[in-house]
Amino acid sequence: EAQVTQNPRYLITVTGKKLTVTCSQNMNHEYMSWYRQDPGLGLRQIYYSMNVEVTDKGDVPEGYKVSRKEKRNFPLILESPSPNQTSLYFCASSSLITGNSPLHFGNGTRLTVT
Amino acid sequence: DAKTTQPPSMDCAEGRAANLPCNHSTISGNEYVYWYRQIHSQGPQYIIHGLKNNETNEMASLIITEDRKSSTLILPHATLRDTAVYYCIVRVRNAGNMLTFGGGTRLMVKP
Repeated sequence: EAQVTQNPRYLITVTGKKLTVTCSQNMNHEYMSWYRQDPGLGLRQIYYSMNVEVTDKGDVPEGYKVSRKEKRNFPLILESPSPNQTSLYFCASSSLITGNSPLHFGNGTRLTVT
Repeated sequence: DAKTTQPPSMDCAEGRAANLPCNHSTISGNEYVYWYRQIHSQGPQYIIHGLKNNETNEMASLIITEDRKSSTLILPHATLRDTAVYYCIVRVRNAGNMLTFGGGTRLMVKP
């Protein structure tokens, strides 16, 4: 089944403790992206990647890192999480070769930083 | 990328058609109109997209005005499970910086 898989679904951590949220897709998509969703602010893009080893900042990249060493994986790294990064996070992927391909989203990771 | 404007909320009776409008008056010629929906806090789900022509699939129909400045998503026979937030997005083909999703329209389907 074609899907985007995020792990974990829920994560509670403390300020300053490094964490990684994994994202994997099995559709051979070139494009992958991370979003955060906060009440009243909609979905905001954090980082995106057009292909392996190609990443770029979205609208709200501060406090986050990403890497794209393999086509299928696009982990989101919080080196020193802070409470304002408490949010619902979504990973998404899309084909670029097939032109107007829609985004496929994962089921989300709810992060709480205390 | 063009911005979109949607009503914050709408109600629809179960079994009736739900017509969700979207204004994208600054859309460019190479921008597609996409519709997604989000049920509770699940990942947004793709519904349909189009460029100029009206489109239909198993989930919905998309009507785009001739000047492309607005569109309407039609759910022909809304069910309670269609209650969700619906997002209208415009984006350039193969755009890397996929648009920020706005507030969307919260559709409530009532029995």
